[in-house]
Amino acid sequence: QKEVEQNSGPLSVPEGAIASLNCTYSDRGSQSFFWYRQYSGKSPELIMSIYSNGDKEDGRFTAQLNKASQYVSLLIRDSQPSDSATYLCAVILTGGGNKLTFGTGTQLKVEL
Amino acid sequence: NAGVMQNPRHLVRRRGQEARLRCSPMKGHSHVYWYRQLPEEGLKFMVYLQKENIIDESGMPKERFSAEFPKEGPSILRIQQVVRGDSAAYFCASSPRGSQDTQYFGPGTRLTVL
Repeated sequence: QKEVEQNSGPLSVPEGAIASLNCTYSDRGSQSFFWYRQYSGKSPELIMSIYSNGDKEDGRFTAQLNKASQYVSLLIRDSQPSDSATYLCAVILTGGGNKLTFGTGTQLKVEL
Repeated sequence: NAGVMQNPRHLVRRRGQEARLRCSPMKGHSHVYWYRQLPEEGLKFMVYLQKENIIDESGMPKERFSAEFPKEGPSILRIQQVVRGDSAAYFCASSPRGSQDTQYFGPGTRLTVL
């Protein structure tokens, strides 16, 4: 089992719809979770961090964390074509110090 | 812009040459991390440094790769005797503290080995 798993996609949604991106992780003791966005040929850009169970909202983005089920998700409301990118889930695993362990990313395509 | 700075942005080397990648963290950040992204693969941790100290190098290949973060100046990732398999994007990230803190990424250096 991979330490951090994401569906590679592509996930296609129409403009204006809600995009739902999911991530599962294997280490039950993990405490820190991050979502990054990466456009092709560019560097990862932080969208949000989440540390506690529940929802965290920032503008059109909502991160959801469920430690009991070991998943973290990202919802993007009112999806725009500019949201088309690869979304990376990253986790700091127990005993991993400060290093981020990334999933392989989910490619999102927002269609007109 | 006080973001993470990396240079060069693109680097071309022939097999057997040395590559030096530089990273200046965000202002106020004293923790630096290096990650590598191979073509069509995910981001992989390489090394974590604080000023003058290597904290975690568990992701660094044992041979040919080294990293430093001197008291003055940028962090440097050095790859000796490069091979074609070293061609990748190398990203530096920084954080103000360690301990589960958010990391902010620089623009990356894209290394091509001919």
